[in-house]
Amino acid sequence: AQKVTQAQTEISVVEKEDVTLDCVYETRDTTYYLFWYKQPPSGELVFLIRRNSFDEQNEISGRYSWNFQKSTSSFNFTITASQVVDSAVYFCALSEATASKLTFGTGTRLQVTL
Amino acid sequence: DADVTQTPRNRITKTGKRIMLECSQTKGHDRMYWYRQDPGLGLQLIYYSFDVKDINKGEISDGYSVSRQAQAKFSLSLESAIPNQTALYFCATSDSGQGADTDTQYFGPGTRLTVL
Repeated sequence: AQKVTQAQTEISVVEKEDVTLDCVYETRDTTYYLFWYKQPPSGELVFLIRRNSFDEQNEISGRYSWNFQKSTSSFNFTITASQVVDSAVYFCALSEATASKLTFGTGTRLQVTL
Repeated sequence: DADVTQTPRNRITKTGKRIMLECSQTKGHDRMYWYRQDPGLGLQLIYYSFDVKDINKGEISDGYSVSRQAQAKFSLSLESAIPNQTALYFCATSDSGQGADTDTQYFGPGTRLTVL
């Protein structure tokens, strides 16, 4: 069975600090997808990134970057120079290619203050 | 207009009432899902459908039923609502094709359901 662990329940930082959200996953499949979603206070779930298990290249999108390491089964998310608008709950999720169903972690609540 | 819409957005009902939550999408995706979110538990899959004639139970299907009326519509019913079904409910869609977007789930805005 697949499992996603986000050990950090809540993180508080001051604006402009860098912050890394951890995600560790378990799966028996060799082909799978990893995702990050953002849930701002308004409640909707916003898709941020999808990573294929065969693609271990790190990705950068503006202030966001993702580090995928199969050796440690981790898919960590870093926000550089955090802003108040980054305050949200962030979910990591895993989908096995054979099942096409998402398994979510329990989320990390990020609070960015001035 | 939003690609995935959910109605109602908020609903308060009483124990024992039947309630239906509706989901519509204009993304042209073939797969649709219903999730429930409880504080501190992430999202849990209730039911999913890979096409109009395909319905599958998720992790927590007891007390729920679904109907896939068309490719674009997927409704969730609570036959007899109980207080511990108070939660935030999300509908999601994904595409089973071969594109770069395959299997990425896109979520509706959510329905906040309160059962008194």
